[in-house]
Amino acid sequence: DIVMTQSPDSLAVSLGERATINCKSTQSLLYNSNNYHLAWYQQKPGQPPKLLIYWASTRESGVPDRFSGSGSGTDFTLTISSLQAEDVAVYYCQQYYNSPHTFGQGTKLEIK
Amino acid sequence: QVQLVESGGGLVKPGGSLRLSCAASGFSFSDYYMSWIRQAPGKGLEWISYISGKSIYTNYADSVKGRFTISRDNSKTSLYLQMNDLRVDDTAVYYCATAGASDFWGQGTLVIVSS
Repeated sequence: DIVMTQSPDSLAVSLGERATINCKSTQSLLYNSNNYHLAWYQQKPGQPPKLLIYWASTRESGVPDRFSGSGSGTDFTLTISSLQAEDVAVYYCQQYYNSPHTFGQGTKLEIK
Repeated sequence: QVQLVESGGGLVKPGGSLRLSCAASGFSFSDYYMSWIRQAPGKGLEWISYISGKSIYTNYADSVKGRFTISRDNSKTSLYLQMNDLRVDDTAVYYCATAGASDFWGQGTLVIVSS
């Protein structure tokens, strides 16, 4: 199974500042020449997860452009360029390259 | 608009069975692989199963293999999860979602396994 490891486990960032969450997989998630099977989700308390990013860097429709995804191979990053109060949540990465479609353990993002 | 509505959760004793359902609407259900994903209280997300659009392909996490069975009825636009030999550590909110990068999720149904 592919193991997904996120860092850090928790993060406190000031409003308007940049937040960066990392995700590392135990094998490459490259599906074809330039598509990585890696997604990012945001989950707020009492709600299901919300898809933010797929193919490692494609923003889901309606997601603010302060959210961006990057990375390649086995190392990926979710960046929030200017943290807003409504971004407080737990963020998960997930690989859908191989079954089981494993998730990272989650990163809790708070306001400093 | 897209809706996924889970039902069938509840309290069950260890060793018991439950069948979860997920009613889908607002999209071409039969064209989508579908997944079940669960979340134990206060814990992270765990993918547990998927099924292809025509039910040809299924796959399971090791933690549920041999105990859980995923199925679907495209005529009823519904997804199911038959859960047998339930254990205390199966206690979780169970979500149905489109598979892969899951753009659609239900609100979840809570399963509690306790004596």
